[in-house]
Formats: sequence, structure tokens, C-alpha cells
Amino acid sequence: QKEVEQNSGPLSVPEGAIASLNCTYSDRGSQSFFWYRQYSGKSPELIMSIYSNGDKEDGRFTAQLNKASQYVSLLIRDSQPSDSATYLCAVKETSGSRLTFGEGTQLTVNP
Amino acid sequence: DTGVSQDPRHKITKRGQNVTFRCDPISEHNRLYWYRQTLGQGPEFLTYFQNEAQLEKSRLLSDRFSAERPKGSFSTLEIQRTEQGDSAMYLCASSRRDGSYEQYFGPGTRLTVT
Repeated sequence: QKEVEQNSGPLSVPEGAIASLNCTYSDRGSQSFFWYRQYSGKSPELIMSIYSNGDKEDGRFTAQLNKASQYVSLLIRDSQPSDSATYLCAVKETSGSRLTFGEGTQLTVNP
Repeated sequence: DTGVSQDPRHKITKRGQNVTFRCDPISEHNRLYWYRQTLGQGPEFLTYFQNEAQLEKSRLLSDRFSAERPKGSFSTLEIQRTEQGDSAMYLCASSRRDGSYEQYFGPGTRLTVT
């Protein structure tokens, strides 16, 4: 079992729709969770961090965390073609500072 | 606030050669990380420094890989006797020691071993 799993892509949504990206993790003690956006050929860019159960909103992005279910999600409202990228879920291990990443979900927003 | 910088951005080398990459973290960040990313995969952790101390190393980091962070500022990652399997994007990230563990990545160094 992979430590961090993301829903298999690619995911395609029309412009203006809500894109939903999901992630599960295996380390029950993890406390810190991150979403990164990576455009093709570029490095990952941090877009959201979440540490407590519930929702955290930042503009069009909402991160949701459920530690009991070991589940993290990212919602992108009013999706734009510029949101087309690979979204990486990352989890900080219980001990140490390393992040463990999922394989990413490729999102395409169609005009 | 300048971001993380990496040099070079691209490196093509022949199998068996040694290569060295440099990373300059965000100035107030005392934690520095190296990751490796291959096509279609998420970044994989290689090693981590807090100030000048190397605190974690992945099992992925074979004895051909070495990293340093003298004086707790910039860091170098050296790969000796490169192999074709070393071809990847090498990413550096830095973070503050504030409990957030938010890591900010540099642009990466793309290594191609021929």
C-alpha cells in the first residue's frame, strides 16, 4: 500500500465547474498536510496547508481534512483553464520533517 | 522576498561523470530539503538539513550521493559516478522553523545522464 494515494486521473472539468481532488494517507499520526500545484515542466508550488479537521478556504480553493478517515481533499471552485496542472498531495511524517507525496492528479479545465 | 534558487537549471552529463548542484534557500529559512522527481511521479525525499546539520537521509540516497550545507546557508548535492537511472529533476525546498513545515520549492535542476 502506498503511503499517500491520490485519485487516479486525469480529471477533466468544464470551465466554471468545481474540481474535486482526493488523497488518502497511511500514517495515522500525521498532523500536517499540503497541496501543491505543478505546471508541466515547472516545480511544485504550495497552494494550501491544513492541520486541523474540517475545511480551510483560501479564495477559490478549499482544503478538507478528516484525520479519522485519513482523508484530505482539495476543491477548486469556478475552475479556470489556468488551473490546468498536476495537483500533488503531501503529508508530513509523524517523526521528522520530510514530506511524502502522492503521484499527483492531472487536472484539465476545458474552456 | 526572493525564493529558493538552484543552479544549474539543466545539466547533461555522460555516465560515470560526477555532478554537483547548488541550492540557495529563502534567506530566513533554516531548514533545507532535497527531493528527486521523475516523470509521472511525486517528489521523493532525499535528505534534510536544519542549519548545517544533516538530520535525515533517505534510503534512496546511495553512497554515490552526498549533500552538504556548510555554515547553514546554501547546500550542494553531489552525485558521483552518475548512472542513467539518476536522470531526474532534483528539487530543493526550504522552510522556516515555525512548526508549519510549509516547504517552498526552487525551480529544480534537470539532470540528463547519457
